Amino acid sequence: DGGITQSPKYLFRKEGQNVTLSCEQNLNHDAMYWYRQDPGQGLRLIYYSQIVNDFQKGDIAEGYSVSREKKESFPLTVTSAQKNPTAFYLCASSIQITTLSYEQYFGPGTRLTVT
Amino acid sequence: AQTVTQSQPEMSVQEAETVTLSCTYDTSENNYYLFWYKQPPSRQMILVIRQEAYKQQNATENRFSVNFQKAAKSFSLKISDSQLGDTAMYFCAFMKRGGADGLTFGKGTHLIIQP
Repeated sequence: DGGITQSPKYLFRKEGQNVTLSCEQNLNHDAMYWYRQDPGQGLRLIYYSQIVNDFQKGDIAEGYSVSREKKESFPLTVTSAQKNPTAFYLCASSIQITTLSYEQYFGPGTRLTVT
Repeated sequence: AQTVTQSQPEMSVQEAETVTLSCTYDTSENNYYLFWYKQPPSRQMILVIRQEAYKQQNATENRFSVNFQKAAKSFSLKISDSQLGDTAMYFCAFMKRGGADGLTFGKGTHLIIQP
């Protein structure tokens, strides 16, 4: 089945540790995105990538880093510099044709808890 | 920058009734897309419906339809013959044509369908 996978579903870390969230897609989509969701909030864009080896900061990139070495994979690292890392993290992907992007499809999300 | 506002934090209707969720947005862009996403308790984000700003005709998908008023920057979602499975958070989202900035989301409306 084609889709987006995120692992693990739940992740627990101690404060001060870096943690990497996985996102893999087999939809052959060019563009990939990371969003953060907090209670009572909509989703906010952390980072996005339109092609391999290229990515841009979104609205709340501070304390996060990404890589895009393969088309299928877009891992997100939550560093110790992120002040409030506990949140629900969603990965998405979309077709990108020249300068046009289309609707985004989302993975199941990872709930990160930092204590 | 774009903003998306959903003024109804929570709504509750009886099964089989029709319900309308409101969304307004602010942008200086002329070419863009608008979306409604559904997030059930599983937290999986599901695309409900999409509207291209250059199309005057309102989008419909089975029981779901939109009322797109470009001049008023309004994009409401109507759900007809509501079902228990429609209970979820509903998010309105904006994307510039080209999608380089990803999606901008409203804070969501929690819709509860009562039996």
